[in-house]
Amino acid sequence: DQQVKQNSPSLSVQEGRISILNCDYTNSMFDYFLWYKKYPAEGPTFLISISSIKDKNEDGRFTVFLNKSAKHLSLHIVPSQPGDSAVYFCAASERNTPLVFGKGTRLSVIA
Amino acid sequence: DAGITQSPRYKITETGRQVTLMCHQTWSHSYMFWYRQDLGHGLRLIYYSAAADITDKGEVPDGYVVSRSKTENFPLTLESATRSQTSVYFCASSPHSRTPGGNIQYFGAGTRLSVL
Repeated sequence: DQQVKQNSPSLSVQEGRISILNCDYTNSMFDYFLWYKKYPAEGPTFLISISSIKDKNEDGRFTVFLNKSAKHLSLHIVPSQPGDSAVYFCAASERNTPLVFGKGTRLSVIA
Repeated sequence: DAGITQSPRYKITETGRQVTLMCHQTWSHSYMFWYRQDLGHGLRLIYYSAAADITDKGEVPDGYVVSRSKTENFPLTLESATRSQTSVYFCASSPHSRTPGGNIQYFGAGTRLSVL
């Protein structure tokens, strides 16, 4: 049973436009959420996180939104750049348990 | 080199052989993790460790053994490799926390393992 779901395996966006990556979760006890970016032949790298006490966290071009009632979070990238092309993983955790990852969404930013 | 390193980067082995994947971190992070990445499955946790000599099973532990005699090393052993263990394996670490999910995890570059 998947606790963290990324229902879009892939997404294509034009350079300069907004990229929106979505993530849904089923465990209402999750209290910490992260996004990781992964390039081919490299390990995932941390991008941005949000605690369940917040509904938004911003870092430069990246903003994560959390809607606890809908058990949904999203990552917005504005403006999108070709270097943002990668696989993005959503992850979540609750107290005393390791991170649970989604299956990932492959973002392609087209110049 | 500072950070988290995995070795080897690539490994080909045969069914039934024992193989050990190495993971070394220089940050003195308390927590270390092993994941496997497979198409259609994302990242799945195999084992994790909260400190030296403390290990716990993750989502897919069968067929794997771990040990952690020193804080900086967390080797993963496939005692008798099977074709289904062909995958990309990632090691990660995170700083001390009361909970293993509360802190950011830092990943190694991965080991691509093929079992023939």
